[in-house]
Amino acid sequence: GQNIDQPTEMTATEGAIVQINCTYQTSGFNGLFWYQQHAGEAPTFLSYNVLDGLEEKGRFSSFLSRSKGYSYLLLKELQMKDSASYLCAVTMGYGGATNKLIFGTGTLLAVQP
Amino acid sequence: NAGVTQTPKFQVLKTGQSMTLQCAQDMNHEYMSWYRQDPGMGLRLIHYSVGAGITDQGEVPNGYNVSRSTTEDFPLRLLSAAPSQTSVYFCASSYSPVSSGNTIYFGEGSWLTVV
Repeated sequence: GQNIDQPTEMTATEGAIVQINCTYQTSGFNGLFWYQQHAGEAPTFLSYNVLDGLEEKGRFSSFLSRSKGYSYLLLKELQMKDSASYLCAVTMGYGGATNKLIFGTGTLLAVQP
Repeated sequence: NAGVTQTPKFQVLKTGQSMTLQCAQDMNHEYMSWYRQDPGMGLRLIHYSVGAGITDQGEVPNGYNVSRSTTEDFPLRLLSAAPSQTSVYFCASSYSPVSSGNTIYFGEGSWLTVV
């Protein structure tokens, strides 16, 4: 089976830094996505980690530890428009390429002035 | 740029009725998937396809059928709608398997209510 855990809600202040954690227990792990989703809209891609370590893209960074089954998304210089749900998703499959993508329940981030 | 097109955007069904959610993409993508999203939840994989004629089950396939007769289309069928199928449905497509990390294109979603 598989299990992906994220905090349900988080609150942070405009201009601050926030870290959203994701832990997973899955079989046949390939990689981990982070998506942003505003209410009533489709998810939009933020990052995809396959190897251990930190990847930085502007204000957003994502970290992966395969041995610990752990990832986090780091958002810097928070803006009001960053208020959204952040979804952690794991690609699963054995023996190479897979089209099976399993999402966590998402973390609703509220950015306050 | 049409991308991934889902129809209808909104639908109300009575329990026991059948319907098909349509999904079409014009990017010649082999890989397509259907997800449902319930309030306060992430997306859950219903069915996916890795090419015309090839489909497989995801996490929550019960109550849904799919087929993939062409590369462009991946319809999702509800044979006998139940209130538990009230949800937002997203179709997605990609040029390569999701595990490649390449861009996954999502449709705008279909809001389905079963009464």
